Amino acid sequence: IAGITQAPTSQILAAGRRMTLRCTQDMRHNAMYWYRQDLGLGLRLIHYSNTAGTTGKGEVPDGYSVSRANTDDFPLTLASAVPSQTSVYFCASSVDGSYNEQFFGPGTRLTVL
Amino acid sequence: GQNIDQPTEMTATEGAIVQINCTYQTSGFNGLFWYQQHAGEAPTFLSYNVLDGLEEKGRFSSFLSRSKGYSYLLLKELQMKDSASYLCAAQDSNYQLIWGAGTKLIIKP
Repeated sequence: IAGITQAPTSQILAAGRRMTLRCTQDMRHNAMYWYRQDLGLGLRLIHYSNTAGTTGKGEVPDGYSVSRANTDDFPLTLASAVPSQTSVYFCASSVDGSYNEQFFGPGTRLTVL
Repeated sequence: GQNIDQPTEMTATEGAIVQINCTYQTSGFNGLFWYQQHAGEAPTFLSYNVLDGLEEKGRFSSFLSRSKGYSYLLLKELQMKDSASYLCAAQDSNYQLIWGAGTKLIIKP
């Protein structure tokens, strides 16, 4: 693989179900990010990680959790999905957290019914 | 609060020049980014400015005025493939990116 991959590409989910969106990068970047993008709104940061083993909350963290067990992987979990979590989710990475040229994955389109 | 403002949509003609403006208000400032996003795709990096002035990169140039909280992206010799959304993002004192909603650029033949 080259760059950042996300899985699944798209998913339809029943409300109340648990879902994990996967993100893997092979660039050995220290920092990783999860965003959601909704029509008419800018990218909104959900959670971030500046280095393996650490995570932080972004602008809209409620209902989401993340982990960063190693450099390459940064999964995002919705513990109990709700319709307002219908969105396109982008994972991104950057060399570190101080200079933010971010590289984005292809996105996951999630629909919660 | 932190805020980024940019026009929602602009239209331009193939071969022409277009300027997309962005104003920002952030808690601290550590640079201004422009990204391009084609419909249904991920954003891709275009430019970064941290000092006042113009940065030129081929057909694309980006300008920053820190005192005015203002940036613009200038696209020259427009091509149909430039039809996309252009996202302005300012990096705050915590090095987090604050994103604008994007400007959808429509290129007409």
